[in-house]
Amino acid sequence: AQTVTQSQPEMSVQEAETVTLSCTYDTSESDYYLFWYKQPPSRQMILVIRQEAYKQQNATENRFSVNFQKAAKSFSLKISDSQLGDAAMYFCAYRSVPLGGGADGLTFGKGTHLIIQP
Amino acid sequence: DARVTQTPRHKVTEMGQEVTMRCQPILGHNTVFWYRQTMMQGLELLAYFRNRAPLDDSGMPKDRFSAEMPDATLATLKIQPSEPRDSAVYFCASGSPRGGLTGELFFGEGSRLTVL
Repeated sequence: AQTVTQSQPEMSVQEAETVTLSCTYDTSESDYYLFWYKQPPSRQMILVIRQEAYKQQNATENRFSVNFQKAAKSFSLKISDSQLGDAAMYFCAYRSVPLGGGADGLTFGKGTHLIIQP
Repeated sequence: DARVTQTPRHKVTEMGQEVTMRCQPILGHNTVFWYRQTMMQGLELLAYFRNRAPLDDSGMPKDRFSAEMPDATLATLKIQPSEPRDSAVYFCASGSPRGGLTGELFFGEGSRLTVL
């Protein structure tokens, strides 16, 4: 079974600064998806960014980018120019791409609580 | 604006009562997932359907929980009898066949359950 580890329960950053959230995962599969979801106090799960494992290029979405190291099984999220609205819980998630039609739900890390200091 | 719809948003009940949570997945999505979120355990997968057939419910306490998908537009999660330890936020999520182009799962707003 896959596991996802987020080693930082809480991170704090000054507004307008850059912060990096860590995520590692364990898998024996070669093809899969990785995601970062954001959960603000409203508790809605919002997709921030996705990465397909077969793509070597790191995904980027505006101020959000990832550092995907497949061999190291590492998938960190960098938030540039942090804004007050970025304050939330951030979850790293893994999803299989099963060839035989097996289960392919998301496996989540425990989350990192991001605090933005004004 | 396609979205996953969950009801109720909030539910307070007494121990021993039956609780039913409902989910309407995004039209055209063929996979539906139920997750439970607690402070201690984080997000746990309870049940998973593909094309309305249950594929995996190993994360669900079988003696009191049941999940069904009576048709393509409705998934239900039932707890009978409910216990205080069931207090949590329950999320439903749906996804395209084989992950579609993005692999993304779309989440509902969650049902917050409090069992007294």
